[in-house]
Amino acid sequence: QKEVEQNSGPLSVPEGAIASLNCTYSDRGSQSFFWYRQYSGKSPELIMFIYSNGDKEDGRFTAQLNKASQYVSLLIRDSQPSDSATYLCAVRLDTGRRALTFGSGTRLQVQP
Amino acid sequence: EAGVTQSPTHLIKTRGQQATLRCSPISGHTSVYWYQQALGLGLQFLLWYDEGEERNRGNFPPRFSGRQFPNYSSELNVNALELEDSALYLCASSLEETQYFGPGTRLLVL
Repeated sequence: QKEVEQNSGPLSVPEGAIASLNCTYSDRGSQSFFWYRQYSGKSPELIMFIYSNGDKEDGRFTAQLNKASQYVSLLIRDSQPSDSATYLCAVRLDTGRRALTFGSGTRLQVQP
Repeated sequence: EAGVTQSPTHLIKTRGQQATLRCSPISGHTSVYWYQQALGLGLQFLLWYDEGEERNRGNFPPRFSGRQFPNYSSELNVNALELEDSALYLCASSLEETQYFGPGTRLLVL
């Protein structure tokens, strides 16, 4: 079982719709959860992070964390074609080391 | 504020050679991380340096090594290059928990 799992997609949504990206993780001791966006040929850029159960909103983005069910999700409201990218979920598994464990990413396509 | 910088942007080597990749963190950041992103694969953690010392390494052979300098910049060395080392090598820096990535070095091994 992979430590961090994401559906590879592509997830296709029409412009203006809500895109929902999901991520599950295997280690119940995971402390911190991050969402990065990666355009083709570019490096990952941080969208947001979440540490506590519940929702965290930042503009059009909402991260949701459910530690009991071991999943974290990212909602993108009013999706734009410029949101088309691969979205990487990352988890920090160990408080003693600060490296991130990444999922393989979900490719999002927003259709104009 | 300048972001994380990496050099070179592209590097072409032949099998068996050595490659050296460089990274300068965001000013004030003391931790530097190296990740490998091979084509079609996710980011794999390579090495973590903090305050000049190697703090942790991922599941990679010893021919992947590096160091961090007193100014917190870092160098990744890959010895005895193999074809499967062809990948995008990403450096990230952090002060606390959030990591910010540089543009990467694309290494091609022929």
